[in-house]
Amino acid sequence: EVQLVESGGGLVQPGGSLRLSCVASGFSFSSYTMNWVRHTPGKGLEWISCISSGGSVTHYVDSVRGRFTISRDNAKNSLSLQMDSLRAEDTAVYYCTRDTYGSSSTDYWGQGTLVTVSS
Amino acid sequence: DIQMTQSPSSLSASVGDRVTITCRASQDISNFLAWYQQKPDKPPKSLISDASTLQSGVPSRFSGSGSGTDFTLTISNLQPEDLATYYCQQHSAYPLTFGGGTKVEIK
Repeated sequence: EVQLVESGGGLVQPGGSLRLSCVASGFSFSSYTMNWVRHTPGKGLEWISCISSGGSVTHYVDSVRGRFTISRDNAKNSLSLQMDSLRAEDTAVYYCTRDTYGSSSTDYWGQGTLVTVSS
Repeated sequence: DIQMTQSPSSLSASVGDRVTITCRASQDISNFLAWYQQKPDKPPKSLISDASTLQSGVPSRFSGSGSGTDFTLTISNLQPEDLATYYCQQHSAYPLTFGGGTKVEIK
């Protein structure tokens, strides 16, 4: 069974940093592109970033480029998102997702971790 | 960036009804269109990829169609458990982008 378990969310002040983690199980992690997607009640779903199976290629949405860094450790089946210079508008539930094999659509989602940016 | 526009933003229908949600892309995305379902306080669930390919385990009352810029998600025989918000997403080019969502309520 495919499982994606996120952790690391919490309350942080504007300008602060947070590191999210996602541990994967039930599939060959090193074979799949992985993503971070966030959800806010007001804006809906927003794709944030992806990283290729080997980790050499990354993409970001403009609103987080230069502030967020995606990475992975295939030996540990883990995905990370380092979030710096956080803003109030980064407040959201963050999901770790797996690409459908051979496609950039998503087939599996984690349960999510809540990030709140507030003073 | 490719803009995705969904309509309607919300709808109310009765059990057993046929429901149609549309999604329009700001440019040609071929068939690189996915649909997701998000129930209240739950993570999204993947329904359809490549415009019409049902993900494993998704009930056959869900179907997708379209290509180019215009796409449709159809729920035939609406069930109470279909209460959710539905999102389309283009997976043709980065950044991947979602539509604004369609909230489906049961009368």
